[in-house]
Amino acid sequence: SAVISQKPSRDICQRGTSLTIQCQVDSQVTMMFWYRQQPGQSLTLIATANQGSEATYESGFVIDKFPISRPNLTFSTLTVSNMSPEDSSIYLCSVEGTDKNEKLFFGSGTQLSVL
Amino acid sequence: AQSVSQHNHHVILSEAASLELGCNYSYGGTVNLFWYVQYPGQHLQLLLKYFSGDPLVKGIKGFEAEFIKSKFSFNLRKPSVQWSDTAEYFCAVNAGFNDYKLSFGAGTTVTVRA
Repeated sequence: SAVISQKPSRDICQRGTSLTIQCQVDSQVTMMFWYRQQPGQSLTLIATANQGSEATYESGFVIDKFPISRPNLTFSTLTVSNMSPEDSSIYLCSVEGTDKNEKLFFGSGTQLSVL
Repeated sequence: AQSVSQHNHHVILSEAASLELGCNYSYGGTVNLFWYVQYPGQHLQLLLKYFSGDPLVKGIKGFEAEFIKSKFSFNLRKPSVQWSDTAEYFCAVNAGFNDYKLSFGAGTTVTVRA
C-alpha cells in the first residue's frame, strides 16, 4: 500500500491569507485526489490532481480558491486561498491503490483553522 | 450523482456488545461499497469493501458488512466490540470499476466503554 505524507499536519491561519498543503507519496501513482472534511460533516471531493494538466474540480470548487499543482507522479499541492473561517476543515490527500481493487489510500490530513 | 446516508451520528456501546451501523446509498447502477475507519489521531483506513460476488463481506478486526441490493444498503456489523473499536466509521460508494471518486456518508462516531 502507498504511504502518504501530508504537510503541515495542522495550522492556524488568519483570514485573508493562503496556505499550501503538500502531499508526498512514496511511489508513483496516477490518480491523486484532494478531499475536504468540514467539522461534523462527511468527506467531500474537491478535485482530482492531474499530472501535466490542470486539475479537475468538482461542483462547488474553483481553481481560484483551491489551486492545485501536480508536477510529477509522487507529489501534489493544494492551496487554500484568501481564507475565511468557513475554510476551517481537515484537508486530505488520497491516492489510488496499487491495483484497482485497492481503491483509495488517504494521508493523515491537514487540520486547518482560520481565525 | 451518488449519495450516502448513515443513520446514526453517534453510537455508545459497552464492550462485548454487538454493533450494527446502517448505510444506505442512492445510485441505480453498479456500485462499489466501502467502509472506512478513522481511529482517534489516525488517518482513514479501509475496513472492508464490496465489489461483487458474495454480498456478505468480511473485513479486518472482525468486522463484516452485508450488501442488500434491493434495499440499497451496506450495513456494518461486529458481534462483540472492544474498547479499541472506538473510532469514526464512514460508509462510501463509487460507481463502477474505473471510478476512483468516492462519495462518503456523514460518518458515525462509535464510543465503546470499557
